[in-house]
Amino acid sequence: GAGVSQSPRYKVTKRGQDVALRCDPISGHVSLYWYRQALGQGPEFLTYFNYEAQQDKSGLPNDRFSAERPEGSISTLTIQRTEQRDSAMYRCASSFGRGGSNEKLFFGSGTQLSVL
Amino acid sequence: QKEVEQNSGPLSVPEGAIASLNCTYSDRGSQSFFWYRQYSGKSPELIMFIYSNGDKEDGRFTAQLNKASQYVSLLIRDSQPSDSATYLCALTGFQKLVFGTGTRLLVSP
Repeated sequence: GAGVSQSPRYKVTKRGQDVALRCDPISGHVSLYWYRQALGQGPEFLTYFNYEAQQDKSGLPNDRFSAERPEGSISTLTIQRTEQRDSAMYRCASSFGRGGSNEKLFFGSGTQLSVL
Repeated sequence: QKEVEQNSGPLSVPEGAIASLNCTYSDRGSQSFFWYRQYSGKSPELIMFIYSNGDKEDGRFTAQLNKASQYVSLLIRDSQPSDSATYLCALTGFQKLVFGTGTRLLVSP
């Protein structure tokens, strides 16, 4: 596609519900990243994939958060038993190479998650 | 100490002036440094990257890197109101990109 696509654009859910956030990276991009951004803060790293392999999940806050990219393209970030503190903008980014020190990331528009 | 430190601002400059945005980092192993611009309500977009000590110029933008001092900066010459945004400093250590909190720049006409 022309850019990184994320859906839904907005998600409102009740505390305790599970949510799934979707990311469709730029076609041909090998690496896919998930970030979380609170208002007035910079993006906070969550996890990243090379193809279908999850390379680093050190930023996932706890075991309620998980991510997958089963076919090396579209990725899903799942948050189980959501809590109010999970409310934030969730951003996906992709890059052409395998990740590393010279990678340039392209960001999607994000999913704004609100947990009531 | 946070990995990437930025003054949150706002930094206010008049149109036509030079805006100087600064960033310090803690990990000496950091290899690559990036400046992203983020307009309010929008996604970050890459504007500059630098790997080597010294200056790198691209149009009105100049990135400066001093690894010994663990310092990276972004200069915007002839600032325009359209440059008003939050500027995020980012760096890579082992593969993942780590961001600072960003500096808000306001350019007044």
